[in-house]
Amino acid sequence: GAGVSQSPSNKVTEKGKDVELRCDPISGHTALYWYRQSLGQGLEFLIYFQGNSAPDKSGLPSDRFSAERTGGSVSTLTIQRTQQEDSAVYLCASSSGTGEYNEQFFGPGTRLTVL
Amino acid sequence: AQSVTQLGSHVSVSEGALVLLRCNYSSSVPPYLFWYVQYPNQGLQLLLKYTSAATLVKGINGFEAEFKKSETSFHLTKPSAHMSDAAEYFCAVRNQAGTALIFGKGTTLSVSS
Repeated sequence: GAGVSQSPSNKVTEKGKDVELRCDPISGHTALYWYRQSLGQGLEFLIYFQGNSAPDKSGLPSDRFSAERTGGSVSTLTIQRTQQEDSAVYLCASSSGTGEYNEQFFGPGTRLTVL
Repeated sequence: AQSVTQLGSHVSVSEGALVLLRCNYSSSVPPYLFWYVQYPNQGLQLLLKYTSAATLVKGINGFEAEFKKSETSFHLTKPSAHMSDAAEYFCAVRNQAGTALIFGKGTTLSVSS
């Protein structure tokens, strides 16, 4: 079956602009995660959605970052007033639940470059 | 709080040689541990996970890892490296809330012929 897909694969924007990154999880997966991968910081957790529960936003680095998940499926990560330090690869993952060993399946990522 | 430390940001081996990638964890509760691999320009793929059923865990592509509680380690090994093993490897521990994985900084494995 189809894996996690993300769009766009690459995004170049100018400092101060807003960007939206999209994630389509594996069909039927109730949990969805966003991570950021950058050279200096490695892989960092951003936000987690599980069903209709309130999301865990504890990893969002600033209030310029927000995410939503509509209809329990597709998710959009929005970065407002982008800064150069936002340049990174943004990875989305999904899993079938929250069991201790539930595997997270990762998408290919969106490479964001802020000029 | 949970954390993971990967010793060695870059490991180089010859084809056919033993691969050893080190991971130490810190956890206040029994840890749930994972190894992921990332090939260039691709997402992360699960290699193996520690489920507490056995301390020696076998994964895909001939990799295995041994959980040692006394050493707080979960090192990844493969008896004989292939050129196709060249990639970046990440050790991760599930956070206490169960909402995310906490990753190490990663180790880049290079394999020479």
